[in-house]
Amino acid sequence: AQSVAQPEDQVNVAEGNPLTVKCTYSVSGNPYLFWYVQYPNRGLQFLLKYITGDNLVKGSYGFEAEFNKSQTSFHLKKPSALVSDSALYFCAVRDSSASKIIFGSGTRLSIRP
Amino acid sequence: DTGVSQNPRHKITKRGQNVTFRCDPISEHNRLYWYRQTLGQGPEFLTYFQNEAQLEKSRLLSDRFSAERPKGSFSTLEIQRTEQGDSAMYLCASSLQAGDGYGYTFGSGTRLTVV
Repeated sequence: AQSVAQPEDQVNVAEGNPLTVKCTYSVSGNPYLFWYVQYPNRGLQFLLKYITGDNLVKGSYGFEAEFNKSQTSFHLKKPSALVSDSALYFCAVRDSSASKIIFGSGTRLSIRP
Repeated sequence: DTGVSQNPRHKITKRGQNVTFRCDPISEHNRLYWYRQTLGQGPEFLTYFQNEAQLEKSRLLSDRFSAERPKGSFSTLEIQRTEQGDSAMYLCASSLQAGDGYGYTFGSGTRLTVV
């Protein structure tokens, strides 16, 4: 079975400060890991993915994520937050042997000016 | 190619009515997925197709729900005898073959409100 957990419902950060959105996962095989962002009344937009290779993955809009196999984590990070980063962020996982992506419950990121 | 297209964007229906949603995936994508998202939650998997074959259905997909992808291109999701609990955003996504770790491209969704 595969599952993903986002322990924080909301993260609040001041503009210009670094941000981290946490994600942990559980799969039986090798994980494929994803981050998506959702703006109000819109579908999900792909940010980045980890399939294999370097543990630090860079994605859209200056976001990056670090894969940590021993801690089964894939935290999303950005060095300097923007107000426009405020949105709902979803971590997702797919076992390499499975056919569908499973999403976390989401973390609402709020960046204050 | 303009991405994944879903119609309608919004649907308000009375309880007990039938509704049908359409999804047009990216043309070269052979996999198509349906998810349901309720307020404040992450998307929940409903079903997926590889070409025209429906390969997996979630237990969330009761017998009132049916999905088709008749020619391996667009897909429809029908809900019969709608209930208030069916109110949600219905998301469609498409991808290339899953084995290479491709992510999904999502449509903007169809928001269903059952009154």
